[in-house]
Amino acid sequence: DAGITQSPRHKVTETGTPVTLRCHQTENHRYMYWYRQDPGHGLRLIHYSYGVKDTDKGEVSDGYSVSRSKTEDFLLTLESATSSQTSVYFCAAKDRQNTEAFFGQGTRLTVV
Amino acid sequence: QQQVKQSPQSLIVQKGGISIINCAYENTAFDYFPWYQQFPGKGPALLIAIRPDVSEKKEGRFTISFNKSAKQFSLHIMDSQPGDSATYFCAASEGVTGGGNKLTFGTGTQLKVEL
Repeated sequence: DAGITQSPRHKVTETGTPVTLRCHQTENHRYMYWYRQDPGHGLRLIHYSYGVKDTDKGEVSDGYSVSRSKTEDFLLTLESATSSQTSVYFCAAKDRQNTEAFFGQGTRLTVV
Repeated sequence: QQQVKQSPQSLIVQKGGISIINCAYENTAFDYFPWYQQFPGKGPALLIAIRPDVSEKKEGRFTISFNKSAKQFSLHIMDSQPGDSATYFCAASEGVTGGGNKLTFGTGTQLKVEL
């Protein structure tokens, strides 16, 4: 996993509750990403960061926010979880442009 | 609009056979094309990658063929083995100064290699 840890690994939450997923990396990667993986859709980018406090939206950012106050941590928040946000979430990180991105083990989130 | 289209969705190959997965892209500014391999319950991991200045790259049993004019690239797995059974994703990114160098993924191909 190249030093990328996601927590929690599994979570069940109720509709309308806030949820925060954490991605922690130990390799001082500059770029960090949050993806969601759904059958038939592959991996879709939610938000990304290109430095501390530098973040931007991906293709499926509605209902999600992120924060990166330290190089090693990238947090993904669902302000008010909905059933459509049931998915497997992956964090990724890399050093430089157009190089290998390293992925975490994923977080399986179920919104009931 | 899906920027990277991948086919087939699933593939069954006999042990020792050749597995071929195809991808097509729209954005001509893409300049990095990796393939990722994912086993159940794991995150994707880089398998092999190519840049558009070459038409082919080979690493062991895995080869990427790249056709810049057609905006297509493919993964060939020679002598496919049961251990190759996994989901494969093609991807593309654009190196842009100041940008996030985002990877855009295809929808994935589930490969099963049978004995």
